[in-house]
This record gives sequence, structure tokens and C-alpha cells, in this order.
Amino acid sequence: DQQVKQNSPSLSVQEGRISILNCDYTNSMFDYFLWYKKYPAEGPTFLISISSIKDKNEDGRFTVFLNKSAKHLSLHIVPSQPGDSAVYFCAANTQTGANNLFFGTGTRLTVIP
Amino acid sequence: DTGVSQDPRHKITKRGQNVTFRCDPISEHNRLYWYRQTLGQGPEFLTYFQNEAQLEKSRLLSDRFSAERPKGSFSTLEIQRTEQGDSAMYLCASSLRNRGKLFFGSGTQLSVL
Repeated sequence: DQQVKQNSPSLSVQEGRISILNCDYTNSMFDYFLWYKKYPAEGPTFLISISSIKDKNEDGRFTVFLNKSAKHLSLHIVPSQPGDSAVYFCAANTQTGANNLFFGTGTRLTVIP
Repeated sequence: DTGVSQDPRHKITKRGQNVTFRCDPISEHNRLYWYRQTLGQGPEFLTYFQNEAQLEKSRLLSDRFSAERPKGSFSTLEIQRTEQGDSAMYLCASSLRNRGKLFFGSGTQLSVL
């Protein structure tokens, strides 16, 4: 039962343009959402997070948007850089299950120079 | 901050053998997690320690799996009587506070032949 879904396995974007990565979830109890980035042969690295009391959180080139009614979140990267090429995972947890992060299957982003 | 260290990076074993992995978290982090990632999937939660206490275990963690964290420092994950289905990347992570961002190690890639 995949509670966090990333339906696009891959995405290619030109350098300098916007990258938009999408994530859907099914568990309405999720109230904290995170994005992780993973390079080959490395563990995932935390990128940005958002609490369900917000609908937007921004950190430099990265912005996460949360639409609770649609159970959807997205990560925007502007402008995209070749070093952003990696696999991006969406993750979520609940207040009572805070130690258990549910991850999506990932989206491989390729930024073309 | 030396990051989360995992050893070994790769392990090849025959079906039925026992294997043990080690994780050294970031020194001031009292929370430690084990996750498992198979090809094309996101990481899946296995177990969580706060200091030396194992507070949470996933249903994914069969009786053949055991994890310890003596003295609340490093942790070991042992798999007894390995099966081919155990082949995966085993990721360790640590964090400082509840719902804090997880810092992942580079993982141990297990191949069961």
C-alpha cells in the first residue's frame, strides 16, 4: 500500500528553467512532508520540509507547495542547475508516527546543460 | 560533523548465511533509524532507537532481523538465515530531535546469492 506516490519516474529540464516535481499522498493523517535528494552511491540528503499548517515553504531556489484538499505537494526548483540532477524523494509522516517516514518511489531529475 | 557512517558498503553472501551491518550515527544524535531500499522503490522504515532503547519496529522486520544499539552509540543490524528477498540497500539515519531532519549514511548494499 503506497501511501506516498510519485507518478513521474523521470523528468528532464533545460538548465535555467523551472523543474516541478509532484507528489500525491493518500493518508489524510500525514501532517509533515519532506523532500530528499539522492545522488548515486550516497544516502538521501534532506532538502526542504513543510508542515500541514502551511501551504508554501521556500528555501533559496527550492519551494515546496502543499495542497491539503488535493493531498498533493510539489517541489519547484528555479533556476534548475546541472548539479540538481539526482533522484528526488517525497516523504511524509504523522504526529503519532513521527519516527516512521513514508517515502515515495522517487523522480529522477536530469538538468540538461 | 563527520556524518553517518555505515560498514560495510557492500556485502555479498549466500542464502542461509548470517550478516551483520554497523552504523555509526552523528555523535550528538540520540535518535537512530534503519531503512531498507529496494530497486525502484523509496526507503522503507524498519526500526527506530532513541538512545539505547528500540522504540519502534516495522512489520517488515521479520524475526530473522534484529537490531541493537548498545550504550546508545553505534547500532548493528543482523539478518539471520538470509534469503534472496533480503537483497536491498540498508540505510541508517540519525537525527537530533523529534521530527528533525534525518541524516542518512551511504548505506550497505546487500546481495544474497
